[in-house]
Amino acid sequence: GAVVSQHPSRVICKSGTSVKIECRSLDFQATTMFWYRQFPKKSLMLMATSNEGSKATYEQGVEKDKFLINHASLTLSTLTVTSAHPEDSSFYICSASTGQGHTEAFFGQGTRLTVV
Amino acid sequence: GQNIDQPTEMTATEGAIVQINCTYQTSGFNGLFWYQQHAGEAPTFLSYNVLDGLEEKGRFSSFLSRSKGYSYLLLKELQMKDSASYLCATLDSNYQLIWGAGTKLIIKP
Repeated sequence: GAVVSQHPSRVICKSGTSVKIECRSLDFQATTMFWYRQFPKKSLMLMATSNEGSKATYEQGVEKDKFLINHASLTLSTLTVTSAHPEDSSFYICSASTGQGHTEAFFGQGTRLTVV
Repeated sequence: GQNIDQPTEMTATEGAIVQINCTYQTSGFNGLFWYQQHAGEAPTFLSYNVLDGLEEKGRFSSFLSRSKGYSYLLLKELQMKDSASYLCATLDSNYQLIWGAGTKLIIKP
């Protein structure tokens, strides 16, 4: 099956700093990548959808300037949490799709972000 | 509005069978997914149904009734490693994934 690699798996950072999370499709070209956030015992919340070479589409309530998404190539998307606060602590998951939509989407391993 | 309902938690015995139900109301429908998620890990794909009926895949089966807005995931011969959360998600008319909150399945020996 298709492999999506997400890095780092865990990160602890200080309040006010920025953290970059990478999502790579290793053996396929990902036209579309999705970034999710998951709070404990809650469903996955879609943050944004990014298509290679264009700006990401953010879901309502997600701050574009805080969660910077870059999808520079067909195999790499990055999520940067800027000026992190403790309330940004969460589990962030990416998924990559070979086409438009979610029918063929594969998940990264997830990143546990803790802001202290 | 769009809504997916599934039980919060279920308990079953090792070796037994368990059925996890999911009901949905979404604007349009382009299929339903079941994912397994172990604590602290990303979801892993289990099944995708877009037509009515039962799809069997080893110990796991998934059923869909579009007219009833209903699906279930059936797990047979339960093993301890099946202890996880099971997420139901549908694709709406815009091919957006709508997620349920997940059912935590606890397997007891």
